[in-house]
Amino acid sequence: DAGVTQSPTHLIKTRGQQVTLRCSPKSGHDTVSWYQQALGQGPQFIFQYYEEEERQRGNFPDRFSGHQFPNYSSELNVNALLLGDSALYLCASSWVGGENTGELFFGEGSRLTVL
Amino acid sequence: AQKITQTQPGMFVQEKEAVTLDCTYDTSDPSYGLFWYKQPSSGEMIFLIYQGSYDQQNATEGRYSLNFQKARKSANLVISASQLGDSAMYFCAMRDFNSGYSTLTFGKGTMLLVSP
Repeated sequence: DAGVTQSPTHLIKTRGQQVTLRCSPKSGHDTVSWYQQALGQGPQFIFQYYEEEERQRGNFPDRFSGHQFPNYSSELNVNALLLGDSALYLCASSWVGGENTGELFFGEGSRLTVL
Repeated sequence: AQKITQTQPGMFVQEKEAVTLDCTYDTSDPSYGLFWYKQPSSGEMIFLIYQGSYDQQNATEGRYSLNFQKARKSANLVISASQLGDSAMYFCAMRDFNSGYSTLTFGKGTMLLVSP
């Protein structure tokens, strides 16, 4: 049973460019959350998708957008990249019926470097 | 607003000894969940242990146990019989159930180094 998978694992972009990161949730999970982890910090919540809609959002600008597909996989898009967007982007999956449990798992992350 | 505090930037322990990593939290919600994750240098956030606010007993998972003191709002992680492979960053996180959504608030983490 595959866990949470993310792609790409590493990528380098320049300022002003756009990037798309992808996530496939663990089998049986229907909810995907995205987190940004800057160097030396804990992860910060970006947004969460359920039933193909964004249902909660953290304190991130509109340059950060996402999508969830019918198969529950998700994309994170960042436009007009800034140097400060350099971070590890983590995807976490869960299922709506497991809200009261500890069933929340992360992928290995996509490490984005903006030059 | 929720807040997680990890006051130990780094901890050192010798192999086979036990170590406690501190975590305090702040929330006004009666229903919440507390997580501990391990993050090695590869970046993956590895789930270790979970404690629900209404759980009567402290959670245990193998060598990991969570010392949950609700009145003091603390949720310390205890690792028994440390191994060299335990060297990593450790994050405490909290989930607020009132919003109905499984989003997490993380602390800043504690770097654990296990020496031979």
